[in-house]
Amino acid sequence: AQSVTQPDIHITVSEGASLELRCNYSYGATPYLFWYVQSPGQGLQLLLKYFSGDTLVQGIKGFEAEFKRSQSSFNLRKPSVHWSDAAEYFCAVGSPGTYKYIFGTGTRLKVLA
Amino acid sequence: DAGITQSPRHKVTETGTPVTLRCHQTENHRYMYWYRQDPGHGLRLIHYSYGVKDTDKGEVSDGYSVSRSKTEDFLLTLESATSSQTSVYFCAISESNSGNYEQYFGPGTRLTVT
Repeated sequence: AQSVTQPDIHITVSEGASLELRCNYSYGATPYLFWYVQSPGQGLQLLLKYFSGDTLVQGIKGFEAEFKRSQSSFNLRKPSVHWSDAAEYFCAVGSPGTYKYIFGTGTRLKVLA
Repeated sequence: DAGITQSPRHKVTETGTPVTLRCHQTENHRYMYWYRQDPGHGLRLIHYSYGVKDTDKGEVSDGYSVSRSKTEDFLLTLESATSSQTSVYFCAISESNSGNYEQYFGPGTRLTVT
């Protein structure tokens, strides 16, 4: 069965520091992979996605993620965090052809001024 | 932003009462989903729809039913609300024809069952 693990429930970084949020998945083939961001009281917004091809994908707001098949990972990175990046981040996995998605439990990011 | 609205945005109801949440889209997307979001659990799929009158269960479907009589509307019904159904409910849509598989989310409905 598919599963998604986000091992870090909370992460705190200083403004201007680099960020990496971890996501590991369990799936028999290459799934569709997504990162979403949720600001307090809001819905989820897509940051980036991976379907195939180049394993390093660029998204909005300066985020990028790298698909590593050997590690079953899709970690989200940003070189320099801004205070407005404080939010909750969700990794999601989709099964090609089924249009069903599984979400991780989320990582809440706090940014220190 | 994708045209997705949810109503009501907030609701307080008593245990045992029926509740219906509505999701409305203006994008003509084929797929519609209902999730619930709870601390420590992320988003969990309740039901989804792959077309008018075509629906299927998700991982936490017990106590919930859905209906989709037209493309733009997807209704979630709690037949007899329980306190364990206190949650934030999100509707999402997606479309396969364009090759995009990402979901677009509504603003959410906060439901409190007392």
